[in-house]
Parts: sequence; C-alpha cells; structure tokens
Amino acid sequence: NAGVMQNPRHLVRRRGQEARLRCSPMKGHSHVYWYRQLPEEGLKFMVYLQKENIIDESGMPKERFSAEFPKEGPSILRIQQVVRGDSAAYFCASSVYGANVLTFGAGSRLTVL
Amino acid sequence: AQKITQTQPGMFVQEKEAVTLDCTYDTSDQSYGLFWYKQPSSGEMIFLIYQGSYDEQNATEGRYSLNFQKARKSANLVISASQLGDSAMYFCAMREGPKWNTGNQFYFGTGTSLTVIP
Repeated sequence: NAGVMQNPRHLVRRRGQEARLRCSPMKGHSHVYWYRQLPEEGLKFMVYLQKENIIDESGMPKERFSAEFPKEGPSILRIQQVVRGDSAAYFCASSVYGANVLTFGAGSRLTVL
Repeated sequence: AQKITQTQPGMFVQEKEAVTLDCTYDTSDQSYGLFWYKQPSSGEMIFLIYQGSYDEQNATEGRYSLNFQKARKSANLVISASQLGDSAMYFCAMREGPKWNTGNQFYFGTGTSLTVIP
C-alpha cells in the first residue's frame, strides 16, 4: 500500500550537471503532477502527465527542464545544466482520473553547489 | 492576481486551544475545489480537508473544519483542540474547474507556519 514514492530524497549537484528526479505514483493512479517549492514559498505547478502523454506543461521553464511518464516505470523530471536557482524541493503528486485530491510524495530536495 | 492568498506568515496557539488559519481565493469559475495541506518539518505534504464549491455544508475531518464563505471567497481552516503535533506549515490550495477536467492545475498559497505552545 505504498504511497507516492520519490527518489532521491536529497540530491546534490554542481552547476552544469544534470539532475534526474523520479516519481512512482500510487498504485492505480494514472496521473502525475510535478511541483516546485522554493524556500519560504508555496508549491508552483510545473507539469501534468499521463502515461506517455504530457497534458499540461505550462509551468515548466522553457529550457533545461523536461518531464516524462513512460508506459513502464516512474515519471522522470530532468533538469539539464543545473544552476543555483534550481535549488528547491520538487514534489510529485498523483491521482486517478477525475480525482479531487492530489496525493503527494515526500519530495526531492535538490541542492546546486 | 494571486489565486490563493494566505496573509498570516506565522501563527501561535496554546495547546488545546482552537486556531483559525486564513485563506482567500480568486477565481471566476463556478466549479472549483478548495484544499488544505499540512507540511511538517519532515517535508511531506499531507492532505487534510477538501471543500467543493457546490457543497452547502462546511467540510469537517476530525479536528479540522473548513469555514467556507463563498461570497467572501474565503476558505479558512479551523483546528480545534490544538496539539503539539499540529506545529507545521499549512497550505491552502485551489483546483479550478470541475474535477473531471483533465487540464486542472492546483494553485497553492504561500503557507502559514503554525506553532503550538505547550
């Protein structure tokens, strides 16, 4: 009865490296959302995906950020050539189709040195 | 304009007392949902309570209740009989549109830090 699983919980990268954050939704959930939380701020929507489809990526930065949710395996949020401003907590949430509530994972905290 | 406004960056409450955390929202949709999440120091986001825009009664979940005032566009969270474990950040959130709309986004406020004093 695992909830939304995110890994790694903590990730340290140097400027210019790549960060990959993974999210396995709750069993039976087909919709995944990624949010970013900057220090002292609320969560900001980034992207909404179903299996093999990006439904809404209006919150994603235009460059360096990408997300996927393949047919098999977890959803991946990829940040290329990280910069210090990418340091944040990245939360994944999942839901069933038409659900009211998003179930969140524990977050992945990215620190860029 | 901000979709969700939480005007109290920090709140203190005595253990066993009740506390109200404020939230106002902005939407032109007729159908929407309002949520409260708790984020303890460990960082996870925990769902507390939900109120639909067409729900006539205020939502309640145990010690949590949502004071929904539609005309004022407010959705305040009331925590009764505060416990030390209630110390955390609390986020108000809104989903615009009906729940079956696959393009929904959730909008979050900036949060209120609640400290329960023994």
